[in-house]
Amino acid sequence: DVKVTQSSRYLVKRTGEKVFLECVQDMDHENMFWYRQDPGLGLRLIYFSYDVKMKEKGDIPEGYSVSREKKERFSLILESASTNQTSMYLCASSRTSGGPYEQYFGPGTRLTVT
Amino acid sequence: GENVEQHPSTLSVQEGDSAVIKCTYSDSASNYFPWYKQELGKRPQLIIDIRSNVGEKKDQRIAVTLNKTAKHFSLHITETQPEDSAVYFCAAWGGGADGLTFGKGTHLIIQP
Repeated sequence: DVKVTQSSRYLVKRTGEKVFLECVQDMDHENMFWYRQDPGLGLRLIYFSYDVKMKEKGDIPEGYSVSREKKERFSLILESASTNQTSMYLCASSRTSGGPYEQYFGPGTRLTVT
Repeated sequence: GENVEQHPSTLSVQEGDSAVIKCTYSDSASNYFPWYKQELGKRPQLIIDIRSNVGEKKDQRIAVTLNKTAKHFSLHITETQPEDSAVYFCAAWGGGADGLTFGKGTHLIIQP
C-alpha cells in the first residue's frame, strides 16, 4: 500500500510567518506534487518535482517555493504567509517509468493564515 | 498550457439512475485522462483512467469514454448507490513538464 503522509492536518499561522509543509512518501516514487484545493476551483498545481533537487513550476507558483533534498520528501515553503494562502494543501506522488501513472494523495493540510 | 473544463458543477440523481459527468480539454497533445473521487473529508483517489489510444474503458459500474477529435471525455456511473456521493474530478496530462491539470470538480448527490 502506497503511503503519502503530510506533517500536519491543521495549521494556523500569522501573516508574514514562514511556513513549512512537509510531505513524505514510502513507495520510491520519482514524481512528487503540491496542490492547493479551494471550493469551486478544484485542485491547482503549485510545484512538482521529477527527481531529487529538481523542481518545476505549476500553474500558481507565486508566493511559494519547494525543496526536495531526498527522494521521499518534498517540502512546500511559504516565505511570508498571507491571508490569501489560507487553503487546503495536498501533496501527491507517482512513479514515472513508462507513465504517466496514478497520483497518490496525502491526507491534506488545512492551513489558516490570520 | 492545458485547460480542463468540467460540467456540471453539481449533479443530483435518484438512487439507481445513471450519472454522467463531462470534461473538455484544450491541448491536443494530452494523452492521459484520470478521474478522481473525493469523499467528504478524505483525500482524492483514482477510480478510473484512460489513455489516448483507447476510446472506452469500463470497470464494473463505472465507464469512461474519450473522443480525441472533439477533445472531450466523460465519466458514466450506472446504478448509482449512496456511496457514490462525492466530488469527482477529471484531469488531463499533457506530458513532460506540464503536469496534471484538473477540472473544477462535480459534486454528485445521490437522492434516496
